Order: sequence, then C-alpha cells, then structure tokens
Amino acid sequence: ETGVTQTPRHLVMGMTNKKSLKCEQHLGHNAMYWYKQSAKKPLELMFVYSLEERVENNSVPSRFSPECPNSSHLFLHLHTLQPEDSALYLCASSQVGYATGEGYTFGSGTRLTVV
Amino acid sequence: DAKTTQPPSMDCAEGRAANLPCNHSTISGNEYVYWYRQIHSQGPQYIIHGLKNNETNEMASLIITEDRKSSTLILPHATLRDTAVYYCIVSGNTPLVFGKGTRLSVIA
Repeated sequence: ETGVTQTPRHLVMGMTNKKSLKCEQHLGHNAMYWYKQSAKKPLELMFVYSLEERVENNSVPSRFSPECPNSSHLFLHLHTLQPEDSALYLCASSQVGYATGEGYTFGSGTRLTVV
Repeated sequence: DAKTTQPPSMDCAEGRAANLPCNHSTISGNEYVYWYRQIHSQGPQYIIHGLKNNETNEMASLIITEDRKSSTLILPHATLRDTAVYYCIVSGNTPLVFGKGTRLSVIA
C-alpha cells in the first residue's frame, strides 16, 4: 500500500457505458495527477490538479473528464470510450513544489479494457 | 522539460551492482534528476533524486557528474526483485514526464 489507493483495480466497459475511476490519497499532498499507460508505451500525463484546481490538460479527448472535489480525492469520468482507450490508468499525488520533496507517489492503477 | 537518454535494456547478475546511466545534456540549473522504477503492471515507485551532489538512500545511490549532464543510478546488490523499468527524469517545477526508461533484467 503506497498511500494512494485506486479503485477499481480492473474495469471492463462497453463503448456506450459511463464509468468512473477513483483515486484517494492519505499523504496530505495537495497535487494530484492522472497518467495513461498504453501497452508497451511510456506513461502519458493526462491531467494535473494543484490545490484542487486543474492546471494542466494535455490535449485529452473530452470523453475523459476529471474531477477533484478535494485535495484527497480525484476522479476520472469515462464515457463513450474507444477500444484504443484500453490502458493502465495511474493516479499520483505530490506536494506542490515537489522539486524539493520525494516526488510523486503512485497508486497501483486501474486496468481498463474497452470492448 | 529537459530530455533524457537511457539505454533501452540492461542485464545484471544477481548480487552484483547495477549501474544505470542517463544523459541529460540540456538540463537547466534549477532542474532535479529523479529516478523511478516500474515493476510490471504496477505504478512507478520513487527511488531517489538529486540536484548537484551525489545522494544515497536505502534503495540506491545517485551519482551526478560535475557538469550535471549525466548521472548514474547504482543498485549496490541487485536482486531478482529489482527487475523493472527504470526511468530517469529531469524536472524543475513542472509535472514529471516519463520516457521509455531502461529495462533492467537481474539474472540469477
């Protein structure tokens, strides 16, 4: 257990479904991130929240919708996904001003399969 | 962010030191060098970071050259559980961007 918990661990959804991924951190961090890792590819940064405000959106399609209701929780709402969206979705947290700290703490990820 | 260059793969015998190189020739003065590793299908794990000086913790040592254009991560006594992809990242106050890393295989 890293202090960052992601649920569910595995998710299979149809292209017309709506689902949500949840991330919770118990580390007192004030920044949270979503990354996507497709098969045999590097991690891709999707969204950044700092002090509960979205500060970065790396040209992610609108079928992915993040939500950060407080500094401990981060959601990724999914709708009308495509099979190519199948990937490992990773959540991370850190302190703002992370260059002086231990960097990011990652969760174990949600393995998403779109059928 | 400054880019890093790492060899795609390396092998290391169990019990020996694993030395993983990283080139970051365009690093800026306020950017740190971070190392993470990712064991198959898990989230990346922080290993160590540094700015100028060499650093050591319970997991590894980080050696940064004087000109800061390259660094080496040292796992002093590699075990089979150290088999993973190792990422070298340089970052100041911007989100971490991961490259392809080095796939380290520790062989019995």
